[in-house]
Amino acid sequence: KAGVTQTPRYLIKTRGQQVTLSCSPISGHRSVSWYQQTPGQGLQFLFEYFSETQRNKGNFPGRFSGRQFSNSRSEMNVSTLELGDSALYLCASSRDRAEDYEQYFGPGTRLTVT
Amino acid sequence: AQTVTQSQPEMSVQEAETVTLSCTYDTSENNYYLFWYKQPPSRQMILVIRQEAYKQQNATENRFSVNFQKAAKSFSLKISDSQLGDTAMYFCAFMKHLTVGTASKLTFGTGTRLQVTL
Repeated sequence: KAGVTQTPRYLIKTRGQQVTLSCSPISGHRSVSWYQQTPGQGLQFLFEYFSETQRNKGNFPGRFSGRQFSNSRSEMNVSTLELGDSALYLCASSRDRAEDYEQYFGPGTRLTVT
Repeated sequence: AQTVTQSQPEMSVQEAETVTLSCTYDTSENNYYLFWYKQPPSRQMILVIRQEAYKQQNATENRFSVNFQKAAKSFSLKISDSQLGDTAMYFCAFMKHLTVGTASKLTFGTGTRLQVTL
């Protein structure tokens, strides 16, 4: 069974640009969550999608947005990039099943903003 | 809001020894999950062990076990017979119990960097 995949793995952008990151969940998983990981702030929740609907959103500015497609693949977009957006962006998928709940993480996308 | 605290930024243990990583959390929820995730230097986060708050028995997965103290809001991870491959960042995480229609959101601690040495 293939794991969570994220593309691209590395990205370098300049301030003011926008970026789109992609996440393909494990087959059969309908929930996709996004996290930002930085040395200073640690792991922070961005948002979660389930069946194409955003169910939860973290405390991030509106420049951060996402969406989920009918095949459960998800994208997140960051507009007007700032230096502070440099981070590892992790995507996780789950079956949304209570009895053995687990979020499976992808390898992440390393975004560098210059 | 939930908070998760890991008070040990770094720890070191010799191969084959036992080490315990600490985690405390704060919540007003009664039903929830607690997790330990491992992030090796290659960065892929993997689940080490899961505990559901309503289960009194401590979870165990091979060399990994937890000491879950619900009243004290403490959730420590014990690694027995440490191996070089255990070298990684370890994150403690909290999530409200999943019910129909609720969103899943992990709240992480700041992590403990574990170094296993020869």
